[in-house]
Amino acid sequence: AQKVTQAQTEISVVEKEDVTLDCVYETRDTTYYLFWYKQPPSGELVFLIRRNSFDEQNEISGRYSWNFQKSTSSFNFTITASQVVDSAVYFCALINTDKLIFGTGTRLQVFP
Amino acid sequence: NAGVTQTPKFQVLKTGQSMTLQCAQDMNHEYMSWYRQDPGMGLRLIHYSVGAGITDQGEVPNGYNVSRSTTEDFPLRLLSAAPSQTSVYFCASSREDSYTGELFFGEGSRLTVL
Repeated sequence: AQKVTQAQTEISVVEKEDVTLDCVYETRDTTYYLFWYKQPPSGELVFLIRRNSFDEQNEISGRYSWNFQKSTSSFNFTITASQVVDSAVYFCALINTDKLIFGTGTRLQVFP
Repeated sequence: NAGVTQTPKFQVLKTGQSMTLQCAQDMNHEYMSWYRQDPGMGLRLIHYSVGAGITDQGEVPNGYNVSRSTTEDFPLRLLSAAPSQTSVYFCASSREDSYTGELFFGEGSRLTVL
């Protein structure tokens, strides 16, 4: 079965703290893609990153970084020096053939 | 570019009424899909289409119909609304099939069924 688990329902941090959002996935496929999407309070969903199963290199984009580890079936997302504008719900997702399956999301609140 | 446009943004229905949520994209994307978002459940796939004339069921298709007569449009029909269908609905499209994964989402349609 294909499944994405985001065990952290809600995280609260103070501005400038680092925060890691966990994502654990299950799949029997050898080729798959993993994603992170952001949903700010305004409600729209914004694509952040896509990673394929053959590329385990970590990725950094500004204050955002992603750690993909096939050995633990995890694709964790770290925000360094968090800001109030990072407050949002973050979804991890996995491709299952032609269906994108989402986790239940982690709500991040960054307080000033 | 308008991207993905959903209408209406808000709708209140009575149980048993029917309605159609409209979705249109102007990016010439082959893949389109509908999700519903409920508290604590994340986004769940209702139906999807990999091209005009082709549709398939997602995780939660019951109570919903779709059709894809053109590349641009992918309407979602509720035949007989039920309170369990109260949700926020998102339409999304992707350049090829969803295997590329970068979905472009509409702004959402909030539906309340009384």
